[in-house]
Amino acid sequence: DTAVSQTPKYLVTQMGNDKSIKCEQNLGHDTMYWYKQDSKKFLKIMFSYNNKELIINETVPNRFSPKSPDKAHLNLHINSLELGDSAVYFCASSQDGFSGNTIYFGEGSWLTVV
Amino acid sequence: DQQVKQNSPSLSVQEGRISILNCDYTNSMFDYFLWYKKYPAEGPTFLISISSIKDKNEDGRFTVFLNKSAKHLSLHIVPSQPGDSAVYFCAASVGGYQKVTFGTGTKLQVIP
Repeated sequence: DTAVSQTPKYLVTQMGNDKSIKCEQNLGHDTMYWYKQDSKKFLKIMFSYNNKELIINETVPNRFSPKSPDKAHLNLHINSLELGDSAVYFCASSQDGFSGNTIYFGEGSWLTVV
Repeated sequence: DQQVKQNSPSLSVQEGRISILNCDYTNSMFDYFLWYKKYPAEGPTFLISISSIKDKNEDGRFTVFLNKSAKHLSLHIVPSQPGDSAVYFCAASVGGYQKVTFGTGTKLQVIP
């Protein structure tokens, strides 16, 4: 019974396309995140939502738009995909977003832009 | 500007011996530190954490040490087991809403 699930796991798409990655958590957590792990293995936060409200928005191109229809879901939509968007995207959640609460990660979505 | 650094990209240790993974940070505002473990094709999973008011936290075979003056923390695994082979990420955050900064990871291989 997966706690944080994201789909698709693998995605290969052409430059210029628009794609979405969906994420759902069944832990009852209030806070959800999107992290990006690039080719250099840096794992960096992109967005954080608490109860559907945007809390953290790192310096991410506005081609990336998170959508949180409810606190159990945080989807990531990417417009006009570029080669540099190729990375592994991890969805995650935690109890309430404060330091000290464990972050639970999904398995990752491997995005390849060709 | 990489605020959390893991300078050893890989480490090999014999089964039964101690594994020591190191992490340095530059932001003196960090007050909570975590270690995550990641297997291939899976997301990171939480392993152990320590707050800045402590200098040691132990959980079974895993112990994290924090040296605030040196801005250094380490993860000790003893005894190491082949199932411990994974990538270990050090992470840190500042109090308040969790903006966790991760290191680049150290790949640990435990040789049977």
